Amino acid sequence: GAVVSQHPSRVICKSGTSVKIECRSLDFQATTMFWYRQFPKQSLMLMATSNEGSKATYEQGVEKDKFLINHASLTLSTLTVTSAHPEDSSFYICSARGPGRSYNEQFFGPGTRLTVL
Amino acid sequence: QQQVKQSPQSLIVQKGGIPIINCAYENTAFDYFPWYQQFPGKGPALLIAIRPDVSEKKEGRFTISFNKSAKQFSLHIMDSQPGDSATYFCAAGAGSYQLTFGKGTKLSVIP
Repeated sequence: GAVVSQHPSRVICKSGTSVKIECRSLDFQATTMFWYRQFPKQSLMLMATSNEGSKATYEQGVEKDKFLINHASLTLSTLTVTSAHPEDSSFYICSARGPGRSYNEQFFGPGTRLTVL
Repeated sequence: QQQVKQSPQSLIVQKGGIPIINCAYENTAFDYFPWYQQFPGKGPALLIAIRPDVSEKKEGRFTISFNKSAKQFSLHIMDSQPGDSATYFCAAGAGSYQLTFGKGTKLSVIP
């Protein structure tokens, strides 16, 4: 149990385009989902926390208009990188936490590698 | 106070050795301490976690030791194998808040 999927696993896009990344909890209801960004050989940087049905809470320094997060259902959250630029190239990882789970357990998706040309 | 300090940054052990990775925290509100394993190009996977009411937890070859008074916890990998080569992250959480991660330890197990 506790499987989280992400789609796509890898995306290459041109500068100025928008990219949507999906995060799904496959076998549990995720009341809270987290979006992280990870640079090579670095730790995970929390970008935002989203609770189902409410607006995401962004960490300081993360542009909410650039990184749009939607958590419309208990099994799906999406991250849209709007007007992507090369500096947005990174590894984006989501995690999910749900009721019935130890309240702080987070289960991570496999990540999405975004390359902006 | 939200920091979790992890050491060493990298570690090389021979197959069969017991690598030990250490983490220290300051926030006494932390009450959940997980360890994650991450392979290149993959998301982190939850390995093992401990709460402060126990001093040690073992799952297979992985053991967490927890010292509440010192505010430290460590991961031991028994009989390490080349397949254990990965980056390991400790983390700490308080209540329903997000986890605070250490900077990671790159472990290499050489045959």
